[in-house]
Amino acid sequence: ETGVTQTPRHLVMGMTNKKSLKCEQHLGHNAMYWYKQSAKKPLELMFVYSLEERVENNSVPSRFSPECPNSSHLFLHLHTLQPEDSALYLCASSQDVRVSTNEKLFFGSGTQLSVL
Amino acid sequence: AQKITQTQPGMFVQEKEAVTLDCTYDTSDQSYGLFWYKQPSSGEMIFLIYQGSYDEQNATEGRYSLNFQKARKSANLVISASQLGDSAMYFCAMSLSGNEKLTFGTGTRLTIIP
Repeated sequence: ETGVTQTPRHLVMGMTNKKSLKCEQHLGHNAMYWYKQSAKKPLELMFVYSLEERVENNSVPSRFSPECPNSSHLFLHLHTLQPEDSALYLCASSQDVRVSTNEKLFFGSGTQLSVL
Repeated sequence: AQKITQTQPGMFVQEKEAVTLDCTYDTSDQSYGLFWYKQPSSGEMIFLIYQGSYDEQNATEGRYSLNFQKARKSANLVISASQLGDSAMYFCAMSLSGNEKLTFGTGTRLTIIP
């Protein structure tokens, strides 16, 4: 069993749909993250949660809505997306929010999202 | 603001040869960390190796070593005796002390040729 699990692996949605991405970590970590990975661009940090509280929202459009009901689960709710939102969405966790430079992230396999 | 630059979009290397993946970084902070991650076609980002800015020795983890040249602000990844399973995207990343953000480069696609 991998430490960070993401579902679904692939998602195709229309611009008027509402869907949710799910992430679960089994590592006992206190911090969870959403990253967006587009082709030929660096990974973009979207949201950071520490002990279920959002600590960073990196200027992400409101059509992306995160939810962290507990320290093991993280959701990304999607509505009225645009084609340019098509990307790989990666969830990650770490023991704590990065108070030291060697705090490493553990990633899931991502959800490949296509918006038509 | 911090920035990571990976200038090699793709590399082809013969199996069993060593390979060096380039990474340069830019920050005015004195305390920072440098990471390398591997992303196979499955999508998962796998942590490979870490180097702290105050570490005097280059980091090593099995076949991976990090050639840390602080004055040049470079943190190249060296993979010795490459294997077919090393074919993947490789990302260099940097963290700053007390900062939640891990900044990534654009990655290098490594292909190992049998």
